[in-house]
Amino acid sequence: DTAVSQTPKYLVTQMGNDKSIKCEQNLGHDTMYWYKQDSKKFLKIMFSYNNKELIINETVPNRFSPKSPDKAHLNLHINSLELGDSAVYFCASSLSGGSYEQYFGPGTRLTVT
Amino acid sequence: AQSVTQLGSHVSVSEGALVLLRCNYSSSVPPYLFWYVQYPNQGLQLLLKYTSAATLVKGINGFEAEFKKSETSFHLTKPSAHMSDAAEYFCAVSPAGGTSYGKLTFGQGTILTVHP
Repeated sequence: DTAVSQTPKYLVTQMGNDKSIKCEQNLGHDTMYWYKQDSKKFLKIMFSYNNKELIINETVPNRFSPKSPDKAHLNLHINSLELGDSAVYFCASSLSGGSYEQYFGPGTRLTVT
Repeated sequence: AQSVTQLGSHVSVSEGALVLLRCNYSSSVPPYLFWYVQYPNQGLQLLLKYTSAATLVKGINGFEAEFKKSETSFHLTKPSAHMSDAAEYFCAVSPAGGTSYGKLTFGQGTILTVHP
């Protein structure tokens, strides 16, 4: 059973389009995260939700909007896609408290043409 | 504020040789420290973590790391490299304490190549 899953795995789209990435975890965690890994493999946190509440909101264009319908799901919607949005997006989850040890999903490779 | 520097973007070793991947951190509060491994086209897998208990931390696949506060380092080692260790390794830091909510700051990664 996959602990943290993401759909789709690959996403190719044109500039200006709107797209969504979905994440689900079955670990019973209450905190979920979105990270962006750029072409140089640099990883940077974007957002985090704890029990459906936004708790981390980094400096990210407001074209990116996360949504957490429940604590097992975290989605990322991107409006008006730009070439620079091409990256691998990782979802992660953890239990709140302590070290917040995070478990990562397999990633969604977004290519904007 | 916190940051992580991984010395050496590429490390190459022979199979059976010692693996040493270097990580130095900067943190204004006591940190939690992590090493993750990423195989090609996969997500990140946690190797080990330091959470202010023992300074020598043992992880999966024979890896270990030692927290040295005086050197602000958390280097990753493995006594004998296997071909299967070839991957990219990321060091990460988060501030200890609830208000950080586990916000991880990653280093730039080190690609480990293992030669037969």
